[in-house]
Amino acid sequence: GAGVSQSPSNKVTEKGKDVELRCDPISGHTALYWYRQRLGQGLEFLIYFQGNSAPDKSGLPSDRFSAERTGESVSTLTIQRTQQEDSAVYLCASSPSPETQYFGPGTRLLVL
Amino acid sequence: GQQLNQSPQSMFIQEGEDVSMNCTSSSIFNTWLWYKQDPGEGPVLLIALYKAGELTSNGRLTAQFGITRKDSFLNISASIPSDVGIYFCAGRSSGTYKYIFGTGTRLKVLA
Repeated sequence: GAGVSQSPSNKVTEKGKDVELRCDPISGHTALYWYRQRLGQGLEFLIYFQGNSAPDKSGLPSDRFSAERTGESVSTLTIQRTQQEDSAVYLCASSPSPETQYFGPGTRLLVL
Repeated sequence: GQQLNQSPQSMFIQEGEDVSMNCTSSSIFNTWLWYKQDPGEGPVLLIALYKAGELTSNGRLTAQFGITRKDSFLNISASIPSDVGIYFCAGRSSGTYKYIFGTGTRLKVLA
């Protein structure tokens, strides 16, 4: 498809387990973002990648969170030793320039 | 994390009424974006603004980039039931790709 895709759509895990969330950006988009959205809340910036520059990790809430991106393609957000407060929707967005960004449908994470 | 102040937080309106919402920042922005999010989906871009004072329309939606560059406004005219959802603003300063999002305005339209 032409849009940003994310997988899985939903993920249920047990407290203490690690999870990996995947984002496939729109082809040709050099920038990729990850956001967290808790139930009924706004979007909380986590990290963004821009081309070959060092990623801006300023929004990652703890060292349990990390993200990687291979070139200008797929990105993976990893949460280690998940906690119940990590339950949220994790949204990915990509953009061809700083002027805009397009979102995927999100991954709904529930930590039991 | 940092979020922009967006108001109102929520509103109920009658179908056919006009709606106004705004977003304010303590920082100067070079870009303002407005999004709509339906339940269970990602935000969808409605309008993008790139210049102070700019007024841009998209159908029944009109958004403005504030002159001070610290605020933006979104108006919806003649609201219809499908306008229901959460509207977010997002702003970006120069020299960065990073966007800061507003806290959202939850709109409910009464038929």
